[in-house]
Amino acid sequence: AQSVSQHNHHVILSEAASLELGCNYSYGGTVNLFWYVQYPGQHLQLLLKYFSGDPLVKGIKGFEAEFIKSKFSFNLRKPSVQWSDTAEYFCAVNPAGGYNKLIFGAGTRLAVHP
Amino acid sequence: GAVVSQHPSWVICKSGTSVKIECRSLDFQATTMFWYRQFPKQSLMLMATSNEGSKATYEQGVEKDKFLINHASLTLSTLTVTSAHPEDSSFYICCARGESNYGYTFGSGTRLTVV
Repeated sequence: AQSVSQHNHHVILSEAASLELGCNYSYGGTVNLFWYVQYPGQHLQLLLKYFSGDPLVKGIKGFEAEFIKSKFSFNLRKPSVQWSDTAEYFCAVNPAGGYNKLIFGAGTRLAVHP
Repeated sequence: GAVVSQHPSWVICKSGTSVKIECRSLDFQATTMFWYRQFPKQSLMLMATSNEGSKATYEQGVEKDKFLINHASLTLSTLTVTSAHPEDSSFYICCARGESNYGYTFGSGTRLTVV
Protein backbone atom coordinates (compact mmCIF):
# COMPACT_ATOMS: atom_id res chain seq x y z
CA ALA A 1 0.00 0.00 0.00
CA GLN A 2 1.10 3.55 -0.62
CA SER A 3 2.44 5.11 2.52
CA VAL A 4 4.82 7.44 4.28
CA SER A 5 7.24 5.78 6.70
CA GLN A 6 9.16 7.38 9.51
CA HIS A 7 11.61 4.91 10.93
CA ASN A 8 12.34 6.49 14.26
CA HIS A 9 9.36 6.73 16.57
CA HIS A 10 11.22 8.16 19.53
CA VAL A 11 14.62 9.82 19.56
CA ILE A 12 16.49 11.09 22.59
CA LEU A 13 19.51 13.34 22.17
CA SER A 14 21.69 15.62 24.20
CA GLU A 15 22.04 19.25 23.26
CA ALA A 16 24.56 19.91 20.47
CA ALA A 17 24.16 16.39 19.08
CA SER A 18 23.39 15.99 15.41
CA LEU A 19 19.97 14.88 14.27
CA GLU A 20 18.78 12.86 11.33
CA LEU A 21 15.20 11.66 11.04
CA GLY A 22 14.33 9.25 8.29
CA CYS A 23 11.37 9.48 5.95
CA ASN A 24 10.53 7.20 3.06
CA TYR A 25 7.50 7.18 0.84
CA SER A 26 6.08 4.67 -1.58
CA TYR A 27 4.28 6.90 -4.06
CA GLY A 28 5.44 6.84 -7.64
CA GLY A 29 5.75 9.78 -9.95
CA THR A 30 6.08 13.38 -8.93
CA VAL A 31 5.59 14.18 -5.27
CA ASN A 32 5.86 17.23 -3.08
CA LEU A 33 7.51 16.65 0.29
CA PHE A 34 7.17 18.40 3.62
CA TRP A 35 8.43 18.28 7.16
CA TYR A 36 6.24 19.66 9.93
CA VAL A 37 6.94 20.17 13.61
CA GLN A 38 4.42 20.08 16.44
CA TYR A 39 5.60 21.56 19.70
CA PRO A 40 3.78 20.43 22.84
CA GLY A 41 0.30 21.92 22.92
CA GLN A 42 0.72 23.75 19.64
CA HIS A 43 -0.45 23.30 16.08
CA LEU A 44 1.60 21.99 13.20
CA GLN A 45 4.22 24.31 11.77
CA LEU A 46 6.01 23.94 8.46
CA LEU A 47 9.75 23.38 8.74
CA LEU A 48 10.53 23.02 5.08
CA LYS A 49 9.20 21.74 1.79
CA TYR A 50 10.46 20.37 -1.50
CA PHE A 51 8.74 20.75 -4.86
CA SER A 52 11.54 20.68 -7.41
CA GLY A 53 15.06 21.92 -8.05
CA ASP A 54 17.90 21.60 -5.58
CA PRO A 55 17.28 18.38 -3.64
CA LEU A 56 18.89 19.87 -0.54
CA VAL A 57 16.29 22.07 1.07
CA LYS A 58 16.95 24.47 3.91
CA GLY A 59 14.20 25.32 6.31
CA ILE A 60 13.62 27.31 9.44
CA LYS A 61 15.49 26.95 12.72
CA GLY A 62 18.56 25.42 11.10
CA PHE A 63 16.81 22.36 9.71
CA GLU A 64 17.48 20.94 6.29
CA ALA A 65 16.32 17.92 4.31
CA GLU A 66 17.64 16.04 1.33
CA PHE A 67 15.45 14.53 -1.34
CA ILE A 68 16.96 11.37 -2.80
CA LYS A 69 14.66 10.28 -5.58
CA SER A 70 16.29 6.89 -6.13
CA LYS A 71 15.75 6.02 -2.48
CA PHE A 72 12.28 7.59 -2.19
CA SER A 73 13.63 9.38 0.85
CA PHE A 74 13.42 12.83 2.37
CA ASN A 75 15.45 12.76 5.57
CA LEU A 76 15.48 15.68 7.98
CA ARG A 77 18.76 16.87 9.49
CA LYS A 78 20.07 19.40 11.96
CA PRO A 79 23.77 19.58 12.81
CA SER A 80 23.31 20.67 16.42
CA VAL A 81 20.02 20.34 18.28
CA GLN A 82 18.81 22.50 21.13
CA TRP A 83 16.53 21.78 24.05
CA SER A 84 13.90 23.89 22.31
CA ASP A 85 13.80 21.40 19.43
CA THR A 86 11.95 18.97 21.68
CA ALA A 87 8.79 18.27 19.69
CA GLU A 88 7.14 15.82 17.36
CA TYR A 89 8.22 15.82 13.74
CA PHE A 90 6.05 14.69 10.87
CA CYS A 91 7.03 13.94 7.31
CA ALA A 92 4.26 14.49 4.77
CA VAL A 93 3.83 13.75 1.09
CA ASN A 94 1.54 15.30 -1.45
CA PRO A 95 1.16 12.64 -4.11
CA ALA A 96 0.66 13.95 -7.60
CA GLY A 97 -2.98 13.73 -8.63
CA GLY A 98 -4.20 13.09 -5.11
CA TYR A 99 -6.41 16.15 -4.92
CA ASN A 100 -3.45 17.88 -3.26
CA LYS A 101 -3.99 16.03 -0.02
CA LEU A 102 -1.14 15.60 2.44
CA ILE A 103 -0.38 12.12 3.68
CA PHE A 104 1.51 12.04 6.96
CA GLY A 105 4.01 9.66 8.42
CA ALA A 106 3.56 8.31 11.93
CA GLY A 107 5.74 11.02 13.44
CA THR A 108 8.96 11.01 15.44
CA ARG A 109 8.98 12.25 18.99
CA LEU A 110 12.28 14.03 19.72
CA ALA A 111 13.43 14.73 23.25
CA VAL A 112 16.53 16.87 23.70
CA HIS A 113 18.16 16.88 27.11
CA PRO A 114 20.22 19.84 28.30
CA GLY B 1 1.14 34.89 7.35
CA ALA B 2 -1.89 32.76 6.67
CA VAL B 3 -3.97 31.91 9.72
CA VAL B 4 -6.69 29.34 10.26
CA SER B 5 -8.86 29.72 13.32
CA GLN B 6 -10.39 26.49 14.62
CA HIS B 7 -13.11 26.37 17.26
CA PRO B 8 -13.76 25.05 19.75
CA SER B 9 -10.34 24.02 20.99
CA TRP B 10 -11.90 21.38 23.17
CA VAL B 11 -15.39 20.02 23.71
CA ILE B 12 -17.01 17.38 25.88
CA CYS B 13 -20.33 15.98 24.78
CA LYS B 14 -22.68 13.16 25.70
CA SER B 15 -23.06 10.05 23.60
CA GLY B 16 -25.69 10.48 20.93
CA THR B 17 -25.33 14.21 20.56
CA SER B 18 -23.77 16.09 17.65
CA VAL B 19 -20.80 18.39 17.73
CA LYS B 20 -19.83 21.01 15.18
CA ILE B 21 -16.25 22.13 14.64
CA GLU B 22 -15.51 25.29 12.68
CA CYS B 23 -12.46 26.34 10.76
CA ARG B 24 -12.09 29.82 9.37
CA SER B 25 -9.34 31.15 7.17
CA LEU B 26 -8.74 34.65 8.46
CA ASP B 27 -6.65 36.30 5.78
CA PHE B 28 -6.90 34.16 2.69
CA GLN B 29 -9.42 32.20 0.68
CA ALA B 30 -9.39 28.51 1.45
CA THR B 31 -10.30 26.81 -1.80
CA THR B 32 -9.64 23.41 -0.29
CA MET B 33 -10.06 22.20 3.28
CA PHE B 34 -8.69 18.96 4.63
CA TRP B 35 -9.96 17.38 7.82
CA TYR B 36 -7.66 15.15 9.83
CA ARG B 37 -8.03 13.03 12.91
CA GLN B 38 -5.18 12.35 15.31
CA PHE B 39 -5.27 9.69 18.00
CA PRO B 40 -2.91 10.01 20.97
CA LYS B 41 0.69 9.44 20.00
CA GLN B 42 -0.29 8.68 16.44
CA SER B 43 -0.11 10.48 13.14
CA LEU B 44 -2.69 12.57 11.39
CA MET B 45 -5.14 10.49 9.42
CA LEU B 46 -6.89 12.23 6.56
CA MET B 47 -10.66 11.96 6.86
CA ALA B 48 -11.89 14.01 3.94
CA THR B 49 -11.12 16.73 1.44
CA SER B 50 -13.57 19.46 0.56
CA ASN B 51 -13.52 22.10 -2.11
CA GLU B 52 -15.59 25.22 -1.72
CA GLY B 53 -19.08 24.68 -3.04
CA SER B 54 -18.62 20.97 -3.69
CA LYS B 55 -19.33 17.79 -1.81
CA ALA B 56 -16.50 16.47 0.29
CA THR B 57 -14.43 13.50 -0.81
CA TYR B 58 -14.06 11.03 2.03
CA GLU B 59 -11.19 8.65 2.58
CA GLN B 60 -11.85 4.96 2.64
CA GLY B 61 -13.37 3.83 5.91
CA VAL B 62 -14.65 7.25 6.94
CA GLU B 63 -18.44 7.40 7.32
CA LYS B 64 -19.71 10.40 5.40
CA ASP B 65 -23.07 10.32 7.17
CA LYS B 66 -21.37 10.47 10.52
CA PHE B 67 -18.80 13.13 9.74
CA LEU B 68 -20.65 15.85 7.87
CA ILE B 69 -18.45 18.39 6.16
CA ASN B 70 -19.66 21.71 4.84
CA HIS B 71 -17.52 24.11 2.88
CA ALA B 72 -20.04 26.66 1.74
CA SER B 73 -17.70 29.63 1.57
CA LEU B 74 -14.08 30.31 0.87
CA THR B 75 -13.42 31.23 4.48
CA LEU B 76 -15.43 28.70 6.46
CA SER B 77 -15.58 24.94 6.67
CA THR B 78 -17.34 22.89 9.31
CA LEU B 79 -17.11 19.31 10.48
CA THR B 80 -20.11 17.93 12.35
CA VAL B 81 -19.72 14.70 14.25
CA THR B 82 -23.24 13.30 14.37
CA SER B 83 -24.53 10.93 17.04
CA ALA B 84 -21.14 10.93 18.69
CA HIS B 85 -19.88 7.87 20.54
CA PRO B 86 -16.90 7.46 22.88
CA GLU B 87 -14.84 5.94 20.06
CA ASP B 88 -15.16 9.26 18.22
CA SER B 89 -13.12 10.90 20.95
CA SER B 90 -10.04 12.22 19.24
CA PHE B 91 -8.15 15.31 18.14
CA TYR B 92 -9.57 16.81 14.96
CA ILE B 93 -7.47 19.16 12.86
CA CYS B 94 -8.39 21.18 9.81
CA CYS B 95 -5.94 22.24 7.14
CA ALA B 96 -6.67 24.90 4.57
CA ARG B 97 -5.10 25.38 1.22
CA GLY B 98 -5.53 28.56 -0.73
CA GLU B 99 -4.58 29.40 -4.23
CA SER B 100 -1.05 30.36 -3.25
CA ASN B 101 1.70 28.03 -4.25
CA TYR B 102 1.29 24.82 -2.27
CA GLY B 103 0.51 26.58 1.00
CA TYR B 104 -1.10 24.48 3.70
CA THR B 105 -2.23 26.14 6.92
CA PHE B 106 -3.32 24.10 9.90
CA GLY B 107 -5.83 24.96 12.54
CA SER B 108 -4.92 24.51 16.18
CA GLY B 109 -7.11 21.45 16.54
CA THR B 110 -10.18 20.43 18.53
CA ARG B 111 -10.03 17.83 21.24
CA LEU B 112 -13.35 16.00 21.34
CA THR B 113 -14.27 13.85 24.31
CA VAL B 114 -17.49 11.89 24.15
CA VAL B 115 -18.77 10.59 27.48
